[in-house]
Amino acid sequence: GAVVSQHPSWVICKSGTSVKIECRSLDFQATTMFWYRQFPKQSLMLMATSNEGSKATYEQGVEKDKFLINHASLTLSTLTVTSAHPEDSSFYICSARKTRSTDTQYFGPGTRLTVL
Amino acid sequence: DAKTTQPPSMDCAEGRAANLPCNHSTISGNEYVYWYRQIHSQGPQYIIHGLKNNETNEMASLIITEDRKSSTLILPHATLRDTAVYYCIVRAGGADGLTFGKGTHLIIQP
Repeated sequence: GAVVSQHPSWVICKSGTSVKIECRSLDFQATTMFWYRQFPKQSLMLMATSNEGSKATYEQGVEKDKFLINHASLTLSTLTVTSAHPEDSSFYICSARKTRSTDTQYFGPGTRLTVL
Repeated sequence: DAKTTQPPSMDCAEGRAANLPCNHSTISGNEYVYWYRQIHSQGPQYIIHGLKNNETNEMASLIITEDRKSSTLILPHATLRDTAVYYCIVRAGGADGLTFGKGTHLIIQP
């Protein structure tokens, strides 16, 4: 199998607070993990690429100081949305690519963030 | 990554084969064709991928034309649970993230 989990599955927070989302590969090691977000009625948009033990690479227009990514192990990456605002409300989805294997990415179930 | 074109929506009767087309006329020789689907409010699910030859797994079949400019995903016996948005993505190997287009919203009718 290739199972990826995310926690929490949904979160509601007040404007100005920080929220951490975890992404875990449960049955494989993932050198590379990716973070996407999806606004209502839109497709997934890549936010950043996370490599184990190194700094994340952010897509154009994504603020690295606002969306902090940590990939401290081969099975865990975290995304922290700092000083969240209502416009950050979205569906955040991670994916993981198996180490030394095919290029296939496996996605987590997503985290619904609502900022009040 | 090469651009893909998919119909925005399709209907299919339950129990019949669902055939989802994808055009990728600018595909390069080292680019694979990947298919993912996303059921409402869930993360995308990997379905299948191929380079040149037709591929089959427990979920679906992928038919790639000889000139590789188009492909068809076939769900042999569609069920209501196959209702989802299906994404055709063309990309070379590597560690980059995926570029999602608008996909095809497949609706399976009872």
